[in-house]
Amino acid sequence: EAQVTQNPRYLITVTGKKLTVTCSQNMNHEYMSWYRQDPGLGLRQIYYSMNVEVTDKGDVPEGYKVSRKEKRNFPLILESPSPNQTSLYFCASSLSSGSGYEQYFGPGTRLTVT
Amino acid sequence: GESVGLHLPTLSVQEGDNSIINCAYSNSASDYFIWYKQESGKGPQFIIDIRSNMDKRQGQRVTVLLNKTVKHLSLQIAATQPGDSAVYFCAETQAGTALIFGKGTTLSVSS
Repeated sequence: EAQVTQNPRYLITVTGKKLTVTCSQNMNHEYMSWYRQDPGLGLRQIYYSMNVEVTDKGDVPEGYKVSRKEKRNFPLILESPSPNQTSLYFCASSLSSGSGYEQYFGPGTRLTVT
Repeated sequence: GESVGLHLPTLSVQEGDNSIINCAYSNSASDYFIWYKQESGKGPQFIIDIRSNMDKRQGQRVTVLLNKTVKHLSLQIAATQPGDSAVYFCAETQAGTALIFGKGTTLSVSS
């Protein structure tokens, strides 16, 4: 089954404790992206990757890191989480970054930073 | 059917009605637009898309209309069903750059 998976689905952590949220897709997609979703603000892009070893900042990259060492995986790293990073995070992938390619979203990771 | 002229955060319709959800986009250079449906506890799900060289596209029970003159996008759902209840987002992008999402409209369908 074609899908985007994220782990963990739920995470509660404390300020400053490094964490990684994994994202994996099995569709051989080139393009992968991370979003956060907050009430009243909608979905905002954090980082995206057009292919292996190619990453770029989205609208709200501060406090986040990503890596794309393999085509299927695109982990999101919070080196020193803060309470304002409490949010619902989605990973997405598409065949290409070009217009006209549907993005498939993962199920989401709900992160709480205390 | 029920419709909104401007973007409203919520829309309530009766089962069987036609629904129209509106979206104003921001970038006149955007060339690709997508509607997503997000059910509670799930990630956004692709519904239908349209390129800027088109003004209408139809899918199964859904139609997207694009008016580039006023930068307006709408999603029409025919014969709305309870399973259509969700939050609907429009998104725009220009030549593969970041997807910009609208704030979303919550559609509630009562039977």
